[in-house]
Amino acid sequence: QKEVEQNSGPLSVPEGAIASLNCTYSDRGSQSFFWYRQYSGKSPELIMSIYSNGDKEDGRFTAQLNKASQYVSLLIRDSQPSDSATYLCAVNINAGNMLTFGGGTRLMVKP
Amino acid sequence: DAGITQSPRHKVTETGTPVTLRCHQTENHRYMYWYRQDPGHGLRLIHYSYGVKDTDKGEVSDGYSVSRSKTEDFLLTLESATSSQTSVYFCAMGLAGSTDTQYFGPGTRLTVL
Repeated sequence: QKEVEQNSGPLSVPEGAIASLNCTYSDRGSQSFFWYRQYSGKSPELIMSIYSNGDKEDGRFTAQLNKASQYVSLLIRDSQPSDSATYLCAVNINAGNMLTFGGGTRLMVKP
Repeated sequence: DAGITQSPRHKVTETGTPVTLRCHQTENHRYMYWYRQDPGHGLRLIHYSYGVKDTDKGEVSDGYSVSRSKTEDFLLTLESATSSQTSVYFCAMGLAGSTDTQYFGPGTRLTVL
């Protein structure tokens, strides 16, 4: 079992809809969670970080963390074609200075 | 944008030749990382550094070495490149005060023929 898992997609949503991206992780002791966006041919770009259970909102993005169920999700409201990208979930496993990345979910927002 | 650059951005080399990739940051961050990204495998950590001359292995370190003689520079060396090392290589830096937040460089596309 991979330490950080994501559905590879593609996840296709119409413009203006809510896109929901999910990530599960194996280490119950994980404390830090991140979402990165990666456009094709570009480097990963940090969108959100979340450290506590619950929701964290930043503009159209909401990260949700549930440590008991070991999942973290990213909601994108009012999805735009420019949101089409691969979204990477990253988790600080073992409380070290390293991140473990999921394989990414490809999101396609159709006009 | 985040004060981290990589060179070269593209490189084609032949099997058996040595290759060095450079990562340079201007943010004075203590932590630096080298990843490779391959289809079906995602981002995998090769080596990381937690200070000048302080480095450690990541998940896929075989065939790679690193050096960090200055805070701002982190070098990745393939001593004898193989075709399996064809990949996109990303460098990242750890944000001061929150070492598990990482910002990525633009990447280097390496092709080993």
